[in-house]
Amino acid sequence: AQTVTQSQPEMSVQEAETVTLSCTYDTSESDYYLFWYKQPPSRQMILVIRQEAYKQQNATENRFSVNFQKAAKSFSLKISDSQLGDAAMYFCAYSGNQFYFGTGTSLTVIP
Amino acid sequence: GAVVSQHPSWVICKSGTSVKIECRSLDFQATTMFWYRQFPKQSLMLMATSNEGSKATYEQGVEKDKFLINHASLTLSTLTVTSAHPEDSSFYICSARDGGEQETQYFGPGTRLLVL
Repeated sequence: AQTVTQSQPEMSVQEAETVTLSCTYDTSESDYYLFWYKQPPSRQMILVIRQEAYKQQNATENRFSVNFQKAAKSFSLKISDSQLGDAAMYFCAYSGNQFYFGTGTSLTVIP
Repeated sequence: GAVVSQHPSWVICKSGTSVKIECRSLDFQATTMFWYRQFPKQSLMLMATSNEGSKATYEQGVEKDKFLINHASLTLSTLTVTSAHPEDSSFYICSARDGGEQETQYFGPGTRLLVL
């Protein structure tokens, strides 16, 4: 069965610094997608970034980038130049035959 | 990005009443919509998958007679919590999948339900 693991329940970062959130997954499927979603205090789930498993190139979206290691089944999110508005719960998600969420990482940004 | 609306944003009701929550994809057609429940400080728990024109697929442990789902059009799915009780109080979130966008789910803003 597919699972998504986020081993860091809480993380903090100084404003303007860089932070990396970890995510690992388990799957026997060869074709799938990976996502990072952000859930701020408003609780609106916002898509941050997505990665197709068949693409070797790591996805980037402005200050957000991923380190996708397919063989290791690892999909970490790097946030550069952290801003106060980045404070939120971050969920890693897997989409193959089914969709799975990780347990989330709560990110605090320190001014 | 695709926009999903959800209405109402929050509702308070008496025990025993039924509550309907609407989920709409505003700028794309969604053949598949999903309903989640989220408890405080926890991840999203999938309740059911709603397919346009067919019966919803419920996750194990979710009572289909309790949580009625209708997906009558490509842009609208509804969740009705029937005979709501205090234990049904929660945050309910819908999402819609745009099949043309790499299996991405776009989420509504959620509905807070409080049953007194």
